[in-house]
Amino acid sequence: EDQVTQSPEALRLQEGESSSLNCSYTVSGLRGLFWYRQDPGKGPEFLFTLYSAGEEKEKERLKATLTKKESFLHITAPKPEDSATYLCAVQTLGQKVTFGIGTKLQVIP
Amino acid sequence: GAVVSQHPSWVICKSGTSVKIECRSLDFQATTMFWYRQFPKQSLMLMATSNEGSKATYEQGVEKDKFLINHASLTLSTLTVTSAHPEDSSFYICSARVPFLNTEAFFGQGTRLTVV
Repeated sequence: EDQVTQSPEALRLQEGESSSLNCSYTVSGLRGLFWYRQDPGKGPEFLFTLYSAGEEKEKERLKATLTKKESFLHITAPKPEDSATYLCAVQTLGQKVTFGIGTKLQVIP
Repeated sequence: GAVVSQHPSWVICKSGTSVKIECRSLDFQATTMFWYRQFPKQSLMLMATSNEGSKATYEQGVEKDKFLINHASLTLSTLTVTSAHPEDSSFYICSARVPFLNTEAFFGQGTRLTVV
């Protein structure tokens, strides 16, 4: 069974304090791994897609990396507006998408 | 990225009534749309896959007679929660992928359904 595990469940950072969120996955065959940002009461907002181990993508203060077993979302010098829940999802070769529970990030000024 | 619009963003209804939620792809034609349900502190759970011009494919455990899905055009899918009960209260989200790219999905804003 495909599984996606995100850690930590919640993370509290001071503004400017860099950190990483983890997404571990077990799937039969990976087609792609997605990162989304979700604000309270809103739908997920697409951030990145990673397809193969070793791939990296960046957007402003966020950088996503991928290995054969996990993905990291690095947040450099976060700001309060980065506070949100970050969701990881994997798409298998059979097209099915499985989401993790997410990491709730709070950045304190 | 592609834009998916969902309406309404919130709705309150009485127990026993039906509620319709709309999901539109605004700048692309979506042959396939997806409906999710999200409970607090839980991941998005896929309810069904909506295919334009054909019957939706429901995930195991999802009652197809309760959650009616219609995908009558390439830009619109609807989810109707029939005879709603308080336990149906949840956050419902739709998504769609750009055809032929078949990669990341773009999500609507979500609909908060409260059944009283």
